[in-house]
Amino acid sequence: GNSVTQMEGPVTLSEEAFLTINCTYTATGYPSLFWYVQYPGEGLQLLLKATKADDKGSNKGFEATYRKETTSFHLEKGSVQVSDSAVYFCARSNYGGATNKLIFGTGTLLAVQP
Amino acid sequence: DAGVTQSPTHLIKTRGQQVTLRCSPKSGHDTVSWYQQALGQGPQFIFQYYEEEERQRGNFPDRFSGHQFPNYSSELNVNALLLGDSALYLCASSLVRNSNQPQHFGDGTRLSIL
Repeated sequence: GNSVTQMEGPVTLSEEAFLTINCTYTATGYPSLFWYVQYPGEGLQLLLKATKADDKGSNKGFEATYRKETTSFHLEKGSVQVSDSAVYFCARSNYGGATNKLIFGTGTLLAVQP
Repeated sequence: DAGVTQSPTHLIKTRGQQVTLRCSPKSGHDTVSWYQQALGQGPQFIFQYYEEEERQRGNFPDRFSGHQFPNYSSELNVNALLLGDSALYLCASSLVRNSNQPQHFGDGTRLSIL
């Protein structure tokens, strides 16, 4: 089964609203955790990452904190823009290193309305 | 600095045919991974190549095979195509000795099976 679980979408927000996309994982050991974003017709772009417990990844106003006690890596942004509309994927590496295979969630579609 | 490039961008095949997809990794990277992304789903790991050998493999049948060349580029071959093979095929590259750095993805090849 899938060892990365994301909240189902679509998530529809108005511009400047607060965003949370939940992500939980199951794993043995200490995987690295990632959020990737996919814009229509494109491949995946890395949004942010965290490689150990309590690390906070951040980029372009997005943040996520590696919570080992709750096995979570929720994505947040304080004020979304229309240009943030995309599909967001939470992922973990199979082992501790990022070069090992990635296991993805099913993705969450975010639609931001002006 | 060229990123990950994949060719072709789109491909249409019929059931039973064979297909070859190509990937050039980001400059400086030595490891290539392939993923299959069905419509509305997260990417699923197919396999990973390093030093011209398959290092890890996901839960895909033997109809899926690959190759890595001395210049680190890679091919994905799929034989006896099925309708269910219709998907976006993503290539990702990384550097094995820099395990804390993430994989970089190409824009993918959209394969449609008629």
